[in-house]
Amino acid sequence: GENVEQHPSTLSVQEGDSAVIKCTYSDSASNYFPWYKQELGKRPQLIIDIRSNVGEKKDQRIAVTLNKTAKHFSLHITETQPEDSAVYFCAASWGGNQFYFGTGTSLTVIP
Amino acid sequence: GAVVSQHPSRVICKSGTSVKIECRSLDFQATTMFWYRQFPKKSLMLMATSNEGSKATYEQGVEKDKFLINHASLTLSTLTVTSAHPEDSSFYICSAREGSYQETQYFGPGTRLLVL
Repeated sequence: GENVEQHPSTLSVQEGDSAVIKCTYSDSASNYFPWYKQELGKRPQLIIDIRSNVGEKKDQRIAVTLNKTAKHFSLHITETQPEDSAVYFCAASWGGNQFYFGTGTSLTVIP
Repeated sequence: GAVVSQHPSRVICKSGTSVKIECRSLDFQATTMFWYRQFPKKSLMLMATSNEGSKATYEQGVEKDKFLINHASLTLSTLTVTSAHPEDSSFYICSAREGSYQETQYFGPGTRLLVL
């Protein structure tokens, strides 16, 4: 089955700086890679996703890059704000079927 | 749009009893729903995939007789934790996918189960 690794597990940045979270996956058949943000006690919320036919996708301060050959993808948050503080999960799936999540990154943005 | 609800949000039960958790897609039809378990400060672990009108597909290591899943309609899936024990205490989250060709999963708010 698919195995997704995520790094770092915790990340602290100063407000205004950038944050980068990296994930690797094992199954070359995976073709859909969403990123979710989860605040304490709340449901995961989709923030951005990327499909395997695209190398990069951007949505305002958030971007995701995908390297299919190396089987890794990354989340980039620029101009971080305190409200970006949360746990971020990457996931990999084939066709939107079973999602296999990474272990999560707890991001703290220091004002 | 794409709202998923879960009920109850919290439940406390005695060891040995069974608990049913409902997952509903409120404004779309979900041919497929997924059930996850999340331990404190940990990731979401996929338990099973629930397809409307057919048997659920369980992930390796998940006891199907322990965690009964029923997906009787296009808007409702239920997870029943049978003969619950303290080690079953956890946060259970469902998600739903709108249509077979849609990739995005929308998550419910989760159910916190505490077994005494």
